[in-house]
Amino acid sequence: QLQLQESGPGLVKPSETLSLTCTVSGGSISSSTYYWGWIRQPPGKGLEWIGSINYAGRTKYNPALNSRVTVSVDTSKNQFSLTVNSVTAADTAVYYCARDAPLMDGSLNWIDPWGQGTLVSVSS
Amino acid sequence: QSVVTQPPSASGTPGQRVTISCSGSSSNIGSNTVNWYQQLPGTAPKLLIYHNDQRPSGIPDRFSGSKSGTSASLVISGLQSEDEADYYCAPWDDSLNGRVFGGGTKLTVV
Repeated sequence: QLQLQESGPGLVKPSETLSLTCTVSGGSISSSTYYWGWIRQPPGKGLEWIGSINYAGRTKYNPALNSRVTVSVDTSKNQFSLTVNSVTAADTAVYYCARDAPLMDGSLNWIDPWGQGTLVSVSS
Repeated sequence: QSVVTQPPSASGTPGQRVTISCSGSSSNIGSNTVNWYQQLPGTAPKLLIYHNDQRPSGIPDRFSGSKSGTSASLVISGLQSEDEADYYCAPWDDSLNGRVFGGGTKLTVV
């Protein structure tokens, strides 16, 4: 059974860089079938897709966050990571990692399964 | 403000049939499949419906999805108390070249 687990600091200072890692178990991140993505949810608010990556490093990003976000993959560790630069209080959220299903036209389809999520707070 | 619109809330009594709508445009729902996610209180979202109307293994057939034009709907039949959750629709948007989520609908079972 595929499982994903987020890890990283729970508190980041404003203007600094947020870094999270997702460890995949029960399956290989090197599968050519899937992408691996990040989604976030500010407290009490809705979901926002951040970006996704495949095993070869091909990425897709939310245009609203593109300039500050990088998603990377480490197939040797079966992990993928997220960095968000120049964070503000608006980046405070629960961050989820998940498996992402691509379509032949280059878009992304369903997300399943999801990690349990990790809360990252941006505060001095 | 999401480009895909859901009602912020919905409610029903046990056993009732509830419909949650998801309204978009030709660049998202009109040209791409819609997926639905259920988020129970305090938990991560879970895939509920994919490809507009398909249920993943383990999802009860009380849950069904449909799409027509630039709108999609999630129907929950035989409502149960454990269905109380937030529900999100999520299509791809060709204009934005990215995935979008609806604002979410909080379902209350009264």
